[in-house]
Amino acid sequence: DTAVSQTPKYLVTQMGNDKSIKCEQNLGHDTMYWYKQDSKKFLKIMFSYNNKELIINETVPNRFSPKSPDKAHLNLHINSLELGDSAVYFCASSQSGRGGETQYFGPGTRLLVL
Amino acid sequence: AQSVTQLDSHVSVSEGTPVLLRCNYSSSYSPSLFWYVQHPNKGLQLLLKYTSAATLVKGINGFEAEFKKSETSFHLTKPSAHMSDAAEYFCVVSEAHGTSYGKLTFGQGTILTVHP
Repeated sequence: DTAVSQTPKYLVTQMGNDKSIKCEQNLGHDTMYWYKQDSKKFLKIMFSYNNKELIINETVPNRFSPKSPDKAHLNLHINSLELGDSAVYFCASSQSGRGGETQYFGPGTRLLVL
Repeated sequence: AQSVTQLDSHVSVSEGTPVLLRCNYSSSYSPSLFWYVQHPNKGLQLLLKYTSAATLVKGINGFEAEFKKSETSFHLTKPSAHMSDAAEYFCVVSEAHGTSYGKLTFGQGTILTVHP
């Protein structure tokens, strides 16, 4: 069974569109995260949620809106997509969100904005 | 504040020779340190983790890392490289306190190439 899963795996879309990426974890963890990996492979955290509550919100354009319907799911909605949004987006989860915990990553969603 | 610097963007070794990937960190609090590996077009897999127990940490696939507080380093080693080790490796720091609470900060990555 996949511990952290993301859909879709690949997403190709036009500038200006709105798209969503879904993430689910079956590890029973309380905290979930979204990371962005840019074209130079640099990974940076975007958001984290603990039990459906927003904990970390880095400097991210407000076109990006995370939504957590329950603690096993954290979706990422992106409005008015721009070329610079092309990247790989990784979802992750950890037990409670405390520093030092191992985070388990999904396989990534490769987004290409044309 | 926390930060990580991976000292080499590319490392190239021959199969069967030792691997050394270098990482220096900066942290205001006692850090936890991780090495993750990413194979081409794949997700991130945890190799090993340091959390203030033994300073020499053993991970999967024969990898080890040593935490040296005096040098603020957490270098990754393997005695003998295998072709399947070819991937990108990320050194990562996490703090238990402060404003970085729970946040992972990644290094820039080191691409490991293994030649036959």
